[in-house]
Amino acid sequence: AQTVTQSQPEMSVQEAETVTLSCTYDTSESDYYLFWYKQPPSRQMILVIRQEAYKQQNATENRFSVNFQKAAKSFSLKISDSQLGDAAMYFCAYRTAPSGLSGGSNYKLTFGKGTLLTVNP
Amino acid sequence: DSGVTQTPKHLITATGQRVTLRCSPRSGDLSVYWYQQSLDQGLQFLIQYYNGEERAKGNILERFSAQQFPDLHSELNLSSLELGDSALYFCASSVGQWNTEAFFGQGTRLTVV
Repeated sequence: AQTVTQSQPEMSVQEAETVTLSCTYDTSESDYYLFWYKQPPSRQMILVIRQEAYKQQNATENRFSVNFQKAAKSFSLKISDSQLGDAAMYFCAYRTAPSGLSGGSNYKLTFGKGTLLTVNP
Repeated sequence: DSGVTQTPKHLITATGQRVTLRCSPRSGDLSVYWYQQSLDQGLQFLIQYYNGEERAKGNILERFSAQQFPDLHSELNLSSLELGDSALYFCASSVGQWNTEAFFGQGTRLTVV
């Protein structure tokens, strides 16, 4: 079974600074997707960024970028120029791709425990 | 606003009772997923429906059941409720079975007293 580990329960950053959130995962699949979701106090789960495992290029969405290390099974999220609105719980998630070894039977997202990010003014 | 609507937003009920949580997916989305978020277990996948048919099951208790109706809305039924069932229940939807992006609703906060 796939597992996702976020080793940092809490992180803090100064406004306008850069912060990196860590995520590692364990899988025997070769093809899969990785995601970072943001959950602000409103509870809404918001997709921040996604990465396809077959793509070597790291995904970027404005101030958010990832460092995807497939061999190391590592998927960190970098937030540049942090803003007060970035304060939230961040979840790393994994999903098998249809071409994966499981034959596409695992449709679910597997989440890490989350990292609570505080942004200090 | 993700376009996924969950009702009610909050629910308080007593142990042993039965409740129904409702989810309306985004217009055009055929897949609905249910997740449970609790302090001790984190976010756990419960079940997925695609166009009315069950597609995948996760850590869903036998006391829980779900269905997706012809109009594509879904309901999660929780029965014989226990204190430990208190959690945030999310519904998410996507266009197909395998779309990489699932859109989440705002969740239903269930409190069992």
